[in-house]
Amino acid sequence: KAGVTQTPRYLIKTRGQQVTLSCSPISGHRSVSWYQQTPGQGLQFLFEYFSETQRNKGNFPGRFSGRQFSNSRSEMNVSTLELGDSALYLCASSRQQETQYFGPGTRLLVL
Amino acid sequence: QKEVEQDPGPLSVPEGAIVSLNCTYSNSAFQYFMWYRQYSRKGPELLMYTYSSGNKEDGRFTAQVDKSSKYISLFIRDSQPSDSATYLCAMSGMDSSYKLIFGSGTRLLVRP
Repeated sequence: KAGVTQTPRYLIKTRGQQVTLSCSPISGHRSVSWYQQTPGQGLQFLFEYFSETQRNKGNFPGRFSGRQFSNSRSEMNVSTLELGDSALYLCASSRQQETQYFGPGTRLLVL
Repeated sequence: QKEVEQDPGPLSVPEGAIVSLNCTYSNSAFQYFMWYRQYSRKGPELLMYTYSSGNKEDGRFTAQVDKSSKYISLFIRDSQPSDSATYLCAMSGMDSSYKLIFGSGTRLLVRP
């Protein structure tokens, strides 16, 4: 069974630009969550989508947004990038609350 | 104060040792407790999960939850150099969403 895939794996952007990251969940999983991981703050919840609806949102500014498609694939977008947005962005897919499986992440560097 | 506290380590042990990793939490509404392992430059890998209190064993790994003390543990028996990684505890259950609250992670080094 294929795992969670994320594209691209690495990304370099400059301040002010915007970026779109993609996540393909495990087949049959309808919940997709996004997390930001940084050395200083650790893993922080961004948002969760279930059946194309945002079910929960973390404490991030409105520059961070996401969506989910009918095939459960999800994208997240960050507009007006700031240096502090440099991080590993992780996507997790799940069918049940207690078993969430993470992808390899997209490493974003903002210059 | 963070909702989930975890000693960042690093924790260095000799091969074959029993390792004990721990987290404390403040929110009594947490119902699901997970342990993830993360190797450098990789995504977290789900090791074990438990619901509410009790013990769960899987091979060399044992997870314990003590809800009365708001304390969870992961024990690794016969530790191997390949166990060297960062171990993250995570919790959820406050509402219907699948939001996870993570500890900061403990770096473990198993010396050959």
